[in-house]
Amino acid sequence: AQTVTQSQPEMSVQEAETVTLSCTYDTSESNYYLFWYKQPPSRQMILVIRQEAYKQQNATENRFSVNFQKAAKSFSLKISDSQLGDTAMYFCAFMKHGQKDDKIIFGKGTRLHILP
Amino acid sequence: DAGITQSPRHKVTETGTPVTLRCHQTENHRYMYWYRQDPGHGLRLIHYSYGVKDTDKGEVSDGYSVSRSKTEDFLLTLESATSSQTSVYFCAISGLAGKFLSYEQYFGPGTRLTVT
Repeated sequence: AQTVTQSQPEMSVQEAETVTLSCTYDTSESNYYLFWYKQPPSRQMILVIRQEAYKQQNATENRFSVNFQKAAKSFSLKISDSQLGDTAMYFCAFMKHGQKDDKIIFGKGTRLHILP
Repeated sequence: DAGITQSPRHKVTETGTPVTLRCHQTENHRYMYWYRQDPGHGLRLIHYSYGVKDTDKGEVSDGYSVSRSKTEDFLLTLESATSSQTSVYFCAISGLAGKFLSYEQYFGPGTRLTVT
């Protein structure tokens, strides 16, 4: 069974700094997707970034980028020029692809505080 | 934003009473999911549906049942609510993009359920 581990329960950084959130996963699949979701205090789950396992190039979305190391099964999220609005819970997630029961497996989350 | 609504948004109920939560989508997506979110556990899948009248269990399905009689609605029922079912419940959808399954999930706003 697939597992997703986020080793940092909570982090704090100053506004405008760069922060990296860690995520590791365990799978025997070769075709899968990885995601980072953000959950601000409003509780809404928001997709931040996605990565297809077959792509070697790391995904980027504006200030958000990932470091995808397939062999090491590592998928970290880097937030550049952090803003107060980035304060949220961040969830790393894994999804294998190609089956009718495609389900997402979530890590337990990292609570990120951006300090003014 | 994906058109997903959940009702009610908040509910307080007594132990032993039946409770039904509703998820409604306007996207005509094939797949629908129910998760619960608890501190320290991230999001855990309760049940999911891969089509009308087609459902399957997730990792924490005990004490819950679901029904999907039409594409747009996915109901989650607690037959006899217990205090351990106090949680925040999220619905999510995913669907087709061309001939491929769209691999990301979009989430509803959540329902906070308290069982006293």
